[in-house]
Amino acid sequence: EAQVTQNPRYLITVTGKKLTVTCSQNMNHEYMSWYRQDPGLGLRQIYYSMNVEVTDKGDVPEGYKVSRKEKRNFPLILESPSPNQTSLYFCASSLQGRGTDTQYFGPGTRLTVL
Amino acid sequence: GDSVTQMEGPVTLSEEACLTINCTYTATGYPSLFWYVQYPGEGLQLLLKATKADDKGSNKGFEATYRKETTSFHLEKGSVQVSDSAVYFCALIPPGSNYQLIWGAGTKLIIKP
Repeated sequence: EAQVTQNPRYLITVTGKKLTVTCSQNMNHEYMSWYRQDPGLGLRQIYYSMNVEVTDKGDVPEGYKVSRKEKRNFPLILESPSPNQTSLYFCASSLQGRGTDTQYFGPGTRLTVL
Repeated sequence: GDSVTQMEGPVTLSEEACLTINCTYTATGYPSLFWYVQYPGEGLQLLLKATKADDKGSNKGFEATYRKETTSFHLEKGSVQVSDSAVYFCALIPPGSNYQLIWGAGTKLIIKP
C-alpha cells in the first residue's frame, strides 16, 4: 500500500530535549515536505526537499532541521524544542513537487513541549 | 504575496442539505487549485483539484470549478452526509513554483443527522 508514515504519532517532551520525528514514504517520490498545523493558521511549510541531499526552507524553518540522506526518509529534527513548537506536524510527499502532482500526507505527529 | 482565503467555520448543516464552502485566492497567473479534507484524527487527503481555468474537479460527490474571473474555487456538494464531517482546506500552488502549497486556514464542517 502506498503511504507516508510518521513516528511517533504523539510525543510529550520538555524544553530543550532534542527530538526527531521520522517520515518515510514508499512511493519513490522525489519531493518531500514538512508542515505544521496550528488552529486558525492552516498549514505552514517548515522545510522541503526536492531530492536526496537537496533541502530548502519553507515559511517557518526557525528551530527545525531536516536531512535527506535517502530518497524515502525525511526526518524532522528539533535540536532544542520550545513550547511554541507545540503543534501538529505533517509530512508529505509527491512525485516531483509540481503543481499537477498530488501530495500525499502522513497521519500527523502531535507534539507537546512543556 | 500569494494567499488563500476560506470562509470561517464551523459550518453546521443537517444531513442532505446543500453545501458551499467559499474559497478565493490571490496569485499572479494561473495557479493550480486544490481541496484537501482532514477527517477527525487523520492526515490530509486530496479531495479534488483543478489545474487550469474553467476546469472542474470532482470526487465523492464534491465539485469545485476554477473561476479565473472571480479568483474563486468554491467547494460544493448537493447532499451532505454525516460522514462528510471534517475540516476542509483550500490550497494553491503558484505558477512557476514547483514547491510549495499555500493553504487556507481550513473550514470545519459539522453534519447533524
